Amino acid sequence: KNEVEQSPQNLTAQEGEFITINCSYSVGISALHWLQQHPGGGIVSLFMLSSGKKKHGRLIATINIQEKHSSLHITASHPRDSAVYICAVNSGGSNYKLTFGKGTLLTVNP
Amino acid sequence: DAGVTQSPTHLIKTRGQHVTLRCSPISGHKSVSWYQQVLGQGPQFIFQYYEKEERGRGNFPDRFSARQFPNYSSELNVNALLLGDSALYLCASSLGRGFTQYFGPGTRLLVL
Repeated sequence: KNEVEQSPQNLTAQEGEFITINCSYSVGISALHWLQQHPGGGIVSLFMLSSGKKKHGRLIATINIQEKHSSLHITASHPRDSAVYICAVNSGGSNYKLTFGKGTLLTVNP
Repeated sequence: DAGVTQSPTHLIKTRGQHVTLRCSPISGHKSVSWYQQVLGQGPQFIFQYYEKEERGRGNFPDRFSARQFPNYSSELNVNALLLGDSALYLCASSLGRGFTQYFGPGTRLLVL
């Protein structure tokens, strides 16, 4: 079993829909990251969370440490949101290793 | 300010050859991490360096090695290339532990 599991693997939505991507992890963590990867490979860091909730524009990320679960929400989705969304965790300790989920491919149709 | 830069952007090698990939972190960042991303999978951690010392190593064979220079740039070396080493190699820099990692555009390596 992977340390970081994401669901769904693929998600297709119509423009304007509310999107939720889920991430569950099985290890103790110091921080959880949500990343966005567009075709071509470039990765952009969206959020780094250790507790609670963060909001940036139409994106909202929440984390429940007790349940080892995080969600990424996109409100009023747009075709430009189409990308792979990746959850990654820092398991703490003296190193900075990130353990990644396999990603969720989001396609938003106009 | 420039972001994380990587070179080359694309590379084609044959089995058994050696490759060196380079990464320049954001100015002021002392930590550099390397990741391998095989097509269709999430990235896998290879190495992390902070202040020129190795601080973390993933589950990769000894054919993979890295170093960090006094200016905090870094090189990833892979010897005796295998077909399975074909992947996108990502570098990320940060100020240090607990800070956001910023990713470079990656080097796409194809081994024939």
